[in-house]
Amino acid sequence: AQSVTQLDSHVSVSEGTPVLLRCNYSSSYSPSLFWYVQHPNKGLQLLLKYTSAATLVKGINGFEAEFKKSETSFHLTKPSAHMSDAAEYFCVVSDTGTASKLTFGTGTRLQVTL
Amino acid sequence: NAGVTQTPKFRVLKTGQSMTLLCAQDMNHEYMYWYRQDPGMGLRLIHYSVGEGTTAKGEVPDGYNVSRLKKQNFLLGLESAAPSQTSVYFCASSFGRIEAFFGQGTRLTVV
Repeated sequence: AQSVTQLDSHVSVSEGTPVLLRCNYSSSYSPSLFWYVQHPNKGLQLLLKYTSAATLVKGINGFEAEFKKSETSFHLTKPSAHMSDAAEYFCVVSDTGTASKLTFGTGTRLQVTL
Repeated sequence: NAGVTQTPKFRVLKTGQSMTLLCAQDMNHEYMYWYRQDPGMGLRLIHYSVGEGTTAKGEVPDGYNVSRLKKQNFLLGLESAAPSQTSVYFCASSFGRIEAFFGQGTRLTVV
């Protein structure tokens, strides 16, 4: 069985400061991990993905995440927040043992203030 | 390139009514999925399909049926809508472990 825990339901940062959104996962297999972003009243857009290649993954809009197997974590970071980063972020796991079913975390709402 | 298109975008149903949500993808993906999104719960898988003519149950299948008669289309049906089915529904498609592409969502309200 696979599961995802997003440790913060809401994160607030000031524009220009670093962003850290935390995610821990559980998987019986070698997982694929993703971060998706959802802007208000929009669909989901892929930010980045880990599929057993490099453990430090770079995504769009300056985001990156590091896969740490020993800590079962896949935290999302960005050096400097922008107002346009305000959105809901979902950490997602997909195991390799079955058809590609994505298991979503409950989401982290990122607020960016001036 | 349209990607994943959901129809309709909004709908209000009365309890007991039926409806069908249509998902169409133009990327020749084998896998298609229906999710529902509820506040504080992330997205939960309703049903999925690994190819034309196949369907399987996900995490929350009760009250829904699906069909995949054509590779590019995946239909989600509600036979007798209930207020608990008020949600935002997302369709997605993928080549497998590669990332899924999502539609814009259907906001359904059952009164």
